Amino acid sequence: NAGVTQTPKFRVLKTGQSMTLLCAQDMNHEYMYWYRQDPGMGLRLIHYSVGEGTTAKGEVPDGYNVSRLKKQNFLLGLESAAPSQTSVYFCASSYSSKGNSPLHFGNGTRLTVT
Amino acid sequence: KNEVEQSPQNLTAQEGEFITINCSYSVGISALHWLQQHPGGGIVSLFMLSSGKKKHGRLIATINIQEKHSSLHITASHPRDSAVYICAVNGGSQGNLIFGKGTKLSVKP
Repeated sequence: NAGVTQTPKFRVLKTGQSMTLLCAQDMNHEYMYWYRQDPGMGLRLIHYSVGEGTTAKGEVPDGYNVSRLKKQNFLLGLESAAPSQTSVYFCASSYSSKGNSPLHFGNGTRLTVT
Repeated sequence: KNEVEQSPQNLTAQEGEFITINCSYSVGISALHWLQQHPGGGIVSLFMLSSGKKKHGRLIATINIQEKHSSLHITASHPRDSAVYICAVNGGSQGNLIFGKGTKLSVKP
């Protein structure tokens, strides 16, 4: 089992460019999450999904969009990147909701927006 | 005031020392998580607990729901324990996790 796989690992964008981060999990988890991690701050939830075809906003959703067309995949899109979106992005999945089951994390994507 | 506070922020220990990392929270929860983030950046789940104590190898996690406090202990610390330890509670909207800022542990040989 690969667990949670994120691609790409690194990316540099110019302001205004777009990109999509891909998260794939092979554990048949219903719940998937996108977080960002910035220096001096805890992980913050961007968007999450409670099942195939559903998405919901987290704490810091502005500037991002997501899609969950297949249960195993959760995509995070930046339509027009801004320097404030420079961060490390983590995808995670869990088998139940309400924070009552362990999270499985991907290895992260380091994004720099210049 | 942050909803999840960890202390200390940074901790340096000598190999073999007993280590304690603390987590206090201000919201109602039903579960608390301890995570480990290695220098390479990957994050792994160490414990999820809602009461009492859990032990895994040299790691012990305790929680006191009434006092809204949890501790992570590492016995006989080793340089490979060097990492950032993160506390998180399911006190957010829809039960989503709220994360602490982490405690950076460095264990010297």
